[in-house]
Amino acid sequence: GENVEQHPSTLSVQEGDSAVIKCTYSDSASNYFPWYKQELGKRPQLIIDIRSNVGEKKDQRIAVTLNKTAKHFSLHITETQPEDSAVYFCAAQYGGPSGNQFYFGTGTSLTVIP
Amino acid sequence: NAGVTQTPKFRVLKTGQSMTLLCAQDMNHEYMYWYRQDPGMGLRLIHYSVGEGTTAKGEVPDGYNVSRLKKQNFLLGLESAAPSQTSVYFCASREIGRPAANTIYFGEGSWLTVV
Repeated sequence: GENVEQHPSTLSVQEGDSAVIKCTYSDSASNYFPWYKQELGKRPQLIIDIRSNVGEKKDQRIAVTLNKTAKHFSLHITETQPEDSAVYFCAAQYGGPSGNQFYFGTGTSLTVIP
Repeated sequence: NAGVTQTPKFRVLKTGQSMTLLCAQDMNHEYMYWYRQDPGMGLRLIHYSVGEGTTAKGEVPDGYNVSRLKKQNFLLGLESAAPSQTSVYFCASREIGRPAANTIYFGEGSWLTVV
């Protein structure tokens, strides 16, 4: 199966600063990489995703970059706000374009300090 | 617009008891998943299903069984609960056939404590 590693496990930033979370994956056939945000006591929800034929994708204050050669991808949050405080999970779709399984990283707990 | 619904939301079991978690989705999705979430471990795949009548093992299937008798329902069973199965369980689903069909939709979670 796929192995997804995520760092750091915890991250504290001052409001307005940027936050970066990094993930690596092991299977070169993985081709879809979503990021989920989970607020305390809530379900994970998709915030952004990227496919293997794209190197970068941006949506307002969040962006994701992908380096297929190195098998790593990163989440970037700019101008952080207190409501960005949550646990963030990266994931990789295992098994190519028709893959059935998604493997998740261990999560990053982000705290934005007002 | 219910999406993915899990029942029960909270349950306390004694070691050795059995129980079933029910997941229902109203989005006509083909794929359904059961994950468990533990502190520092992220979301780990227990079992999944690619369609009615099919099931497959994920990363951590031991101690669990599943069934997908109807397309909209995916049941997770614990035959003999153990304290190591204390966790938050998330059901999820996704469709197939469209380029944007990769999005996984999660249920609200089921908090299970085994004492």
